[in-house]
Amino acid sequence: KNEVEQSPQNLTAQEGEFITINCSYSVGISALHWLQQHPGGGIVSLFMLSSGKKKHGRLIATINIQEKHSSLHITASHPRDSAVYICAVGSMDSNYQLIWGAGTKLIIKP
Amino acid sequence: SAVISQKPSRDICQRGTSLTIQCQVDSQVTMMFWYRQQPGQSLTLIATANQGSEATYESGFVIDKFPISRPNLTFSTLTVSNMSPEDSSIYLCSASQVATEAFFGQGTRLTVV
Repeated sequence: KNEVEQSPQNLTAQEGEFITINCSYSVGISALHWLQQHPGGGIVSLFMLSSGKKKHGRLIATINIQEKHSSLHITASHPRDSAVYICAVGSMDSNYQLIWGAGTKLIIKP
Repeated sequence: SAVISQKPSRDICQRGTSLTIQCQVDSQVTMMFWYRQQPGQSLTLIATANQGSEATYESGFVIDKFPISRPNLTFSTLTVSNMSPEDSSIYLCSASQVATEAFFGQGTRLTVV
């Protein structure tokens, strides 16, 4: 079993839909990161969480430390949100290294 | 927070040649890491770049193939040597000052032909 699991692997939705991407982990963490990887490969950091909830524009990230689970939500989705969304955790035991999820490929259709 | 500038963002290279990827951080950071993402795969740690000493490589990665430099606390390079098509991947650097933070380069998309 992978230490960081994302679901779903692939998600196709219509423009305007509310999107939820999940990340579960099995290790003790210092922080959890959500990143966006564009179709060309470029990577952008979206959020870094250690507790609670963060919001930036139409993106919301939450984390439940007790349940070892985080969600990334996109409200009023748009075709430009189409990308791979990756969850990564900083393990307490890994000397700052990150453990990466496999990513969720999101396609928003107009 | 810190900002990392990673260059180049993409390159197409001939097999047998080498490519050096650079990451410049706008502030001093304790730790820098290099990751590889092969097509359809998760990001995998190549090595930890240590300032002033040899990098620490993960299993399956060797210095001759992926030499890494870190001359100071704001800069690191990764070289992909004697490239083959199997080296076609996205390479990513990240940096951390404390365990609760991580910053990322934009990634380098390498295609070897």
